[in-house]
This record gives sequence, structure tokens and C-alpha cells, in this order.
Amino acid sequence: DQQVKQNSPSLSVQEGRISILNCDYTNSMFDYFLWYKKYPAEGPTFLISISSIKDKNEDGRFTVFLNKSAKHLSLHIVPSPPGDSAVYFCAASAPGGTSYGKLTFGQGTILTVHP
Amino acid sequence: DAEITQSPRHKITETGRQVTLACHQTWNHNNMFWYRQDLGHGLRLIHYSYGVQDTNKGEVSDGYSVSRSNTEDLPLTLESAASSQTSVYFCASSEGSGSFTGELFFGEGSRLTVL
Repeated sequence: DQQVKQNSPSLSVQEGRISILNCDYTNSMFDYFLWYKKYPAEGPTFLISISSIKDKNEDGRFTVFLNKSAKHLSLHIVPSPPGDSAVYFCAASAPGGTSYGKLTFGQGTILTVHP
Repeated sequence: DAEITQSPRHKITETGRQVTLACHQTWNHNNMFWYRQDLGHGLRLIHYSYGVQDTNKGEVSDGYSVSRSNTEDLPLTLESAASSQTSVYFCASSEGSGSFTGELFFGEGSRLTVL
């Protein structure tokens, strides 16, 4: 049972345009959401996060939007240089107790930015 | 600089052999995690630890074990390797005190092939 889903395995955009990556979740206990970026032969690196008490968080070129009623979040990257080509993972965590510190990841979306 | 290192980076073994993947972090983090990455599944949690002598099972723990004898290391052991355990394995760590921000620091991964 995939609690965090990224339904688009891949996304292709032209350099300089906006990239929008989507993520859906089913567990209503999730209260913190994160995006990770992964280059080949490297480990994932943290990109941006959002708490469930917010609906938007910005950090430079990256903005994450959260729609709790739809259990949906999206990552907007503006603009997108070719160096942003990577796999992007959505992840979620639930508060404390047995869920403390554990992240549940989506399947990942391969973003390709064409020059 | 603090870091998290995994070894070996690449390993080929035979079915039935015991394999140990090492993970060493110098952040002095209490929390450590092992994930595996497979196409179509994203990152799935195998085992995790909140501190010395503490270990817990994740969602795909069958066939794997871990031990935590100090803060820095969390080795992952495959007692009898199976072809289904061919994967890329990532170790991660995070701070254990205060409110959890969700950010995990990942190693570069260990690619394991079981023939």
C-alpha cells in the first residue's frame, strides 16, 4: 500500500521554463512533507519542506504547495536549468511516537531539463 | 566536515552468502536509518535506530538485521542473500533531540547485486 504516490514517473521541460512535480498521499496522519533531489550515483539531498499548518513554502527557486483537503502537494521550480535534471522524491512523516523520525517516500519522478 | 559514509559502494555476491554493508556517520546523530531504492518503489525503510542498543524494524525488514553498538555506526547484515535483495541501499541519519524537522542526511549508497 503506497501511502505516498508520485504518479508521473518522468517529466521533461525546456530550460528556463517552470517544472511542476506532483505528489499525493493517503495517510491523514502525515503532518510534515519534504522534497529530496537525487543525482545518479549519489544519495538523496534535502531540498525543501512544509509543515501541515502551512499551504506554501518558498526557498529561492523552489516553492512547495500543500493542499490538505486534497492530500496533494506540488513542487514548483522556476526557472529550471539543465543542472536540475535529477530524480525528485516526495516524502512525508507523521508526528512522534512510533513514527518519529521516519520518512515515507514516493516512487520518485525523473525530471529532465532540455537546453 | 561531518559526513556519512557507506562501504562497499559496489558489491556482487552469491545467493545464500552473508553480506554486511557498513554505515558510519560523524554528525553524532542519534537516529540512523537504512533504506533500499528500487524502481517503481522509491525508497523503503528497512531498519532504524534511535540510539545505542536500540534497533527497530521498518516496512521491508525480512532477511535483514542491524546492530547499534555505538553512535557512529549502523551496519546492515543480510544473513542469507537472495536475488530479491539486489538493490541500492542508502544509510541516513538525523538529529534525535528537539522537534523533528524531517531532514535526513544520506550516504552515497551501496549497490548490491545478488547472483
